[in-house]
Amino acid sequence: GAGVSQSPSNKVTEKGKDVELRCDPISGHTALYWYRQSLGQGLEFLIYFQGNSAPDKSGLPSDRFSAERTGGSVSTLTIQRTQQEDSAVYLCASSFVKDTEAFFGQGTRLTVV
Amino acid sequence: AQRVTQPEKLLSVFKGAPVELKCNYSYSGSPELFWYVQYSRQRLQLLLRHISRESIKGFTADLNKGETSFHLKKPFAQEEDSAMYYCALRGDYGGSQGNLIFGKGTKLSVKP
Repeated sequence: GAGVSQSPSNKVTEKGKDVELRCDPISGHTALYWYRQSLGQGLEFLIYFQGNSAPDKSGLPSDRFSAERTGGSVSTLTIQRTQQEDSAVYLCASSFVKDTEAFFGQGTRLTVV
Repeated sequence: AQRVTQPEKLLSVFKGAPVELKCNYSYSGSPELFWYVQYSRQRLQLLLRHISRESIKGFTADLNKGETSFHLKKPFAQEEDSAMYYCALRGDYGGSQGNLIFGKGTKLSVKP
């Protein structure tokens, strides 16, 4: 595709359920980033992938959050046992290599009820 | 610690007035600074980066290392400039870190 694609665009889930958020980066981009955008909190860095490995997992807020990337392409962010405070827009971005321009997806709006 | 501060949550100006969106950063090394913009119902996109020293859509930003600032300026605001603006920092350029650190954003509202 022409840009970073995220799915689903919206997700409503019940508290306690697990959710998976998907990111398809721009083809050929080796670096991939996940951010969380909450009202009034700006963009919070979650995790960064270089290829399939994640040298920086420092931003994951708890052990309920995990992410993986396979084949140097698609990435999945998994939130287990969702809580209401997990409600936010989850943004994915990719860049050709880590020091070049990052392009963002349209985000997944997660609502935990 | 790396930190980006945008002191204004909301900035409201009239069309044709000058605009300055403030950004201060905290970083001990040589950071790379960016401004990203998010128009209504659109995805976040890069506006400009300090190393390119460009003017995009009439906006400019100068890195002031002495004041650790990277304020975004435009001499004459347009209604279409209304958007959410985020200042971001990438530390350790060329090193192991790749992630951007964002400020909390400033919502710019340009009134007719």
